[in-house]
Order: sequence, then structure tokens, then C-alpha cells
Amino acid sequence: QKEVEQNSGPLSVPEGAIASLNCTYSDRVSQSFFWYRQYSGKSPELIMSIYSNGDKEDGRFTAQLNKASQYVSLLIRDSQPSDSATYLCAVNNYGGATNKLIFGTGTLLAVQP
Amino acid sequence: DARVTQTPRDKVTEMGQEVTMRCQPILGHNTVFWYRQTMMQGLELLAYFRNRAPLDDSGMPKDRFSAEMPDATLATLKIQPSEPRDSAVYFCASGSSRDRNNEQFFGPGTRLTVL
Repeated sequence: QKEVEQNSGPLSVPEGAIASLNCTYSDRVSQSFFWYRQYSGKSPELIMSIYSNGDKEDGRFTAQLNKASQYVSLLIRDSQPSDSATYLCAVNNYGGATNKLIFGTGTLLAVQP
Repeated sequence: DARVTQTPRDKVTEMGQEVTMRCQPILGHNTVFWYRQTMMQGLELLAYFRNRAPLDDSGMPKDRFSAEMPDATLATLKIQPSEPRDSAVYFCASGSSRDRNNEQFFGPGTRLTVL
């Protein structure tokens, strides 16, 4: 079992819809969770971080964390074609003992105009 | 500077040649990470430094790769000799160990092609 798992997609949604991206992780001591957006040919860009159970909202983005289920998700409301990218989930898997992150393989999101 | 910078942005070389990639972390950051990204393997951690000391290089092929931090503003990743299978995008990221949130910020990457 991979430490951080994501559906590779592509996830195709129409413009204006809600895109839901999911990620599961294996290590129960994980404390920090991140979503990075990566456009084709570019570097990963940090867009959301979450540390406590529940929801965290930032503009059109909402991160949701459920530590009991070892599940973190990213919702993108009013999806735009410019949101089309690969979304990487990352987890600090070491209870904070190190600064290392474990990345999933990413979900490709395609927003159709 | 508030961004991680990397040089060169693109590098094409022939098998057997030495390749050196450089990274300048964000000013004030004391953790530096080197990643390699390929279509097949995704994003792999090669090496990790804190306060210029290497803490983990278990992801790095030791026979040909080496990573150093000559000073707090420069990290280097060397491949000698390079092989075609080293072709990938190499990213540097930096963060602060004083940040309990463990956020990392990526540079633009070096696209390496070994012929």
C-alpha cells in the first residue's frame, strides 16, 4: 500500500461545477496535510494546508480533513478552465519529527469550458 | 528573496558528463529538499538538509549523485557520471524547521536531458 494515494484521473468537470479531489494516507501519526497545484511544465505550487479535523476554506478552495478515516480532500467551487492542472496531495508522515513530506502521484483535473 | 531559484532551467548533456544543479532557498529558510520528478515515478525525494546538514539522502543513488550546501544560500546537486535514466525534472524546495506547519515552497526546476 502506498503511503499517500490519489486517483490519477483525469477528473473532468464542466466549468462552474464543484471539483472534488480525494487523498488517503496510511500513517496515523500524520499531522500536516497539503495540496499543491502543478500546471504542465511548471513546479508544484502550495495552495492549501490543513492540520486539524474539519474544513478549511480559502476563496474557492476548501480542504477537508478526517484523521479517523485518514482522508483529506480538496473541493474547488465554481471550477474554471484555469484550474485545469495536476493536484498533488502531500503529508508529513513523521508526527512532525522531520520536515519531510510524502507526495501522492497526483490527480489530473480537466475543467471543460 | 521570497522565491526559491534554481539554475540552470534546462540542461542537455551527453552520457558520462558531470551535471551540477544549483538552488538558492528562500531567505531565512533552513530546510532544503531535492526532488526528482518523472512521469513514471512521480515526485521522489532525493535529499533533505536542515541547517546545511544532510539529514536524509536515502532516496539518492550514492554512486553517482551528491548533494551539498556550501552555505545557507546555496544548495547543489551533482551527478557524475550522468546517464540517460537520470533525465527528469529536478526540483529544489525550501522551508523552515521553525514552522511547525512544515510548508515547503518549490523552485522552478531544472529539466535535465541526458543523451
